[in-house]
Amino acid sequence: AQKITQTQPGMFVQEKEAVTLDCTYDTSDQSYGLFWYKQPSSGEMIFLIYQGSYDEQNATEGRYSLNFQKARKSANLVISASQLGDSAMYFCAMRDTGGFKTIFGAGTRLFVKA
Amino acid sequence: GAVVSQHPSRVICKSGTSVKIECRSLDFQATTMFWYRQFPKQSLMLMATSNEGSKATYEQGVEKDKFLINHASLTLSTLTVTSAHPEDSSFYICSARMVSGTSGGGEQFFGPGTRLTVL
Repeated sequence: AQKITQTQPGMFVQEKEAVTLDCTYDTSDQSYGLFWYKQPSSGEMIFLIYQGSYDEQNATEGRYSLNFQKARKSANLVISASQLGDSAMYFCAMRDTGGFKTIFGAGTRLFVKA
Repeated sequence: GAVVSQHPSRVICKSGTSVKIECRSLDFQATTMFWYRQFPKQSLMLMATSNEGSKATYEQGVEKDKFLINHASLTLSTLTVTSAHPEDSSFYICSARMVSGTSGGGEQFFGPGTRLTVL
């Protein structure tokens, strides 16, 4: 069975500093996709970044980068130059190749301090 | 990017009544839509997957007779919470999958969510 683990319930970071949010996963599939979403207090799910299991390079999207270590089954999100608006819940997610299901980790609440 | 809407955004109802939540893909066709439930400060839990024109597939532990899902067209799926009770109070989020796209299995877009409160 697929599983996503986020072990950090809450994280604090100083504004303008970088922060890493941890995510490990478990799957028996060879082909899968890994995602990170941001959920502000409004509740909407905002897509941040995607990494395919066969992608050789780590994904980057602006200030977001995904540190993908396939052998360790980890897909950590790195946010560079944190901003106050980055304060939110962050969910790591995984989807199988058929795209029929996306499962989510428990989430990490990020607090950015001024 | 693609937009998914949900209506209503917030609903309060009395115990025993039924509530319908609509999920629409506004500018793309979604052959598959997903319904999630999120309790406060918890993760999203997949309730069911619906494919246009066929019966929804429910996750283990989700009562299909209580949470009726209809996916009548490529742009609309509805979730009806029948005979709602206070324990059904939650944040319900739908997601629509675009068939084409670069993300594995097609891109998936989320609606803004519906907050249901059952008194």
